[in-house]
Amino acid sequence: QKEVEQNSGPLSVPEGAIASLNCTYSDRGSQSFFWYRQYSGKSPELIMSIYSNGDKEDGRFTAQLNKASQYVSLLIRDSQPSDSATYLCAVNTGGGNKLTFGTGTQLKVEL
Amino acid sequence: GAGVSQSPRYKVTKRGQDVTLRCDPISSHATLYWYQQALGQGPEFLTYFNYEAQPDKSGLPSDRFSAERPEGSISTLTIQRTEQRDSAMYRCASSSRQGGETQYFGPGTRLLVL
Repeated sequence: QKEVEQNSGPLSVPEGAIASLNCTYSDRGSQSFFWYRQYSGKSPELIMSIYSNGDKEDGRFTAQLNKASQYVSLLIRDSQPSDSATYLCAVNTGGGNKLTFGTGTQLKVEL
Repeated sequence: GAGVSQSPRYKVTKRGQDVTLRCDPISSHATLYWYQQALGQGPEFLTYFNYEAQPDKSGLPSDRFSAERPEGSISTLTIQRTEQRDSAMYRCASSSRQGGETQYFGPGTRLLVL
């Protein structure tokens, strides 16, 4: 079992819809969770961080964390074509000093 | 600096040669990370520094890989006797301190070993 698992996609949603991206992790000791967006050929850029159970909202983005289920998700409301990218879930592991990334979910927002 | 910078951006080398990649982190950041990213995959941890100390190098694939950060600022990643399987994007990231803080990534160095 991989430490951080994501569905590789592609996930296709129409413009204006809600995109839901999911991630599970295996290290119960993990305390910090991040969503990075990576456009093709570019470096990852941070979208959201979440540290506590529940929801965290920032503009069109909402991160959800459930530590009991070892599950973290990212919702993107009113999806735009510019949201088309690969979304990487990252979890701090090994005592908190490194990030373990999933393979990423490719999101395509269609006109 | 304003962001994390890396050089060179592209490096082509022949199998068996040594290469050195450079990372210049955000100036106020104590912690620096090196990752390797293959096409279609997420970044994979190689090693990290807290100032000049290197507490974890568990991700380095072999003893051909080494990293330094002698003055706690700029870091280098050296790959000796390169092999074709070393071809990948090498990414550097920095954070203000260790322990779950947000990491900011540089543009990466694309290494191609022929």
